[in-house]
Amino acid sequence: QVRLQQWGAGLLKPSETLSLTCAVHGASLSDNYWSWIRQTPGKGLEWIGEINYRGGTNYRPSLKGRLTISVDTSKSQFSLSLRSVTAADTGFYYCARWCGSTCYGAFDYWGQGDLVTVSS
Amino acid sequence: QSALTQPPSASGSPGQSVTISCTGTSSDIGYYDYVSWYQLYPGKAPKLLLYEVSKRPSGVPDRFSGSKSGNTASLTVSSLQAEDEADYLCSSYGGSNNLAVFGTGTKVTVL
Repeated sequence: QVRLQQWGAGLLKPSETLSLTCAVHGASLSDNYWSWIRQTPGKGLEWIGEINYRGGTNYRPSLKGRLTISVDTSKSQFSLSLRSVTAADTGFYYCARWCGSTCYGAFDYWGQGDLVTVSS
Repeated sequence: QSALTQPPSASGSPGQSVTISCTGTSSDIGYYDYVSWYQLYPGKAPKLLLYEVSKRPSGVPDRFSGSKSGNTASLTVSSLQAEDEADYLCSSYGGSNNLAVFGTGTKVTVL
């Protein structure tokens, strides 16, 4: 059974870097693309970016300058780094598996979500 | 792309049906047949209910069905059960620069 387990710092000050990691259990990173999604009070749910097992990435254009998504295949993990955070980055962050050809356009497995608060 | 529009709430009695709408634009729902629906409970990972408008992943009861017309997709939950009380979220593929456009979410209450 596929399970995504995520963790990271929950309280940040403005200008700091948000870092989250997602461990993939019961599936291979090579099978799909892996995404980060967030839910903020200002914009609701929005897709942040994705990565494949080779490190190929695709980022939301509005976040591209602050965002890095990386992968560690040896640990079956992928990570999110969002630099120079502001209060607008406060919200729930989820990792998720892009379903790919078997159920195109959907995320079939999600992490439980992490609340990240940016406050001075 | 703006968020897809869903009604904030919907309700029904056990055994009844409830239908939730999800309105987008000609750039998302109206363009792609890649609408998905998710069920959310607080503190738990979202669960995929439907993909490609009306297809159900293995294990999802056939009480959950979906359709699409123009820029609007719909989720119908038939034979409502107490455990169906949850938040429901729609999503549409939005192209390579915005893999998913999400809805505003609908809270379903089972009366």
